[in-house]
Amino acid sequence: GENVEQHPSTLSVQEGDSAVIKCTYSDSASNYFPWYKQELGKRPQLIIDIRSNVGEKKDQRIAVTLNKTAKHFSLHITETQPEDSAVYFCAAIMRGQNFVFGPGTRLSVLP
Amino acid sequence: GAVVSQHPSWVICKSGTSVKIECRSLDFQATTMFWYRQFPKQSLMLMATSNEGSKATYEQGVEKDKFLINHASLTLSTLTVTSAHPEDSSFYICSAREVAAAYGYTFGSGTRLTVV
Repeated sequence: GENVEQHPSTLSVQEGDSAVIKCTYSDSASNYFPWYKQELGKRPQLIIDIRSNVGEKKDQRIAVTLNKTAKHFSLHITETQPEDSAVYFCAAIMRGQNFVFGPGTRLSVLP
Repeated sequence: GAVVSQHPSWVICKSGTSVKIECRSLDFQATTMFWYRQFPKQSLMLMATSNEGSKATYEQGVEKDKFLINHASLTLSTLTVTSAHPEDSSFYICSAREVAAAYGYTFGSGTRLTVV
């Protein structure tokens, strides 16, 4: 089955700096890679996603890159703000199957 | 957008009692719903997949007789934690996939269960 690894487990950055979170997956059949942001006690919120036919996707301060050959994808947050502080989960999925989540990254943006 | 309602948002129960959690898709039909459990500072772990009108598929290590799942309609799935114990205390989250969408997953708001 699919296995998703995520690094780092914790990340602290100064406000205004960039943050990068990396994930690797094991199943080359996976073709959809969403990123979720979860604040304490709340549901995960989809912030950006990418499909396997695309190498990069950007939405304002957030971008995701995908390297299918290496089977890894990354989340990039630029100009970080204190409200970006949360736990971020990557996930990988094959069409019609359930998500396999990474272990999460706790991001702290220091003012 | 698609909305999934999950109730209750939090519940405290005594050891040995049962608790039912509801997951309802409000504006779409969900052939498949997923139930996750999340312990503090950990990731979401899939417990079971429920398909409307059929038996749920449980992940390895999840007791099907303890975590009863019912998906009687295209808009409602329920998870019942039977004979709850303190170690069952966790955050339970459902997600639903739209009938017509391959990747259209929507999460419920979650239920924090505390067993005392």
